[in-house]
Amino acid sequence: SQQGEEDPQALSIQEGENATMNCSYKTSINNLQWYRQNSGRGLVHLILIRSNEREKHSGRLRVTLDTSKKSSSLLITASRAADTASYFCATDAGGGADGLTFGKGTHLIIQP
Amino acid sequence: AAGVIQSPRHLIKEKRETATLKCYPIPRHDTVYWYQQGPGQDPQFLISFYEKMQSDKGSIPDRFSAQQFSDYHSELNMSSLELGDSALYFCASSSPSRLIDEQYFGPGTRLTVT
Repeated sequence: SQQGEEDPQALSIQEGENATMNCSYKTSINNLQWYRQNSGRGLVHLILIRSNEREKHSGRLRVTLDTSKKSSSLLITASRAADTASYFCATDAGGGADGLTFGKGTHLIIQP
Repeated sequence: AAGVIQSPRHLIKEKRETATLKCYPIPRHDTVYWYQQGPGQDPQFLISFYEKMQSDKGSIPDRFSAQQFSDYHSELNMSSLELGDSALYFCASSSPSRLIDEQYFGPGTRLTVT
């Protein structure tokens, strides 16, 4: 069953603006991760936030997690054309070698 | 640093044929995961292996099977291929005993069934 749902499905902004993507999930998690995928290419790990964390930063990325609302957000500040990609959240239930459950993804387009 | 290696990168097969995809995890990683990503879809977890034993099972069709070998590489075997099997197939690996939860993804194998 689908775990993560993301919104918006598509987002187009001007270079230099901030981009915010949201993800909701349904079951308890051990951690939530965000991945980037350029068209038809591999998945690149961006950031991981554990269930006992509320906010995490990595460079221009800021992730928040609200376990009471079962939601997370990814903020990319000062966007660049190279940030154009699809962004997926993925949840890990933490049961050993469990597979990740991915959301539908947000397609982000940065206009130069 | 060494990454996850998948082969082949591209594969074209006809309906009802079989296909074998290979995955070589990052050295010293003992856990391997397989995912399927259809066109315009999110990745779907298929199956995982830890220390050569099947660990978790997702939405893997009965026509598919997989195993992890003594050198930790894994193979996904797909039989009686259908048009709907056309997708990107990713392999990921993670570090010993899941000390770090991050899964490292390979570049994927693009399977086209005609």
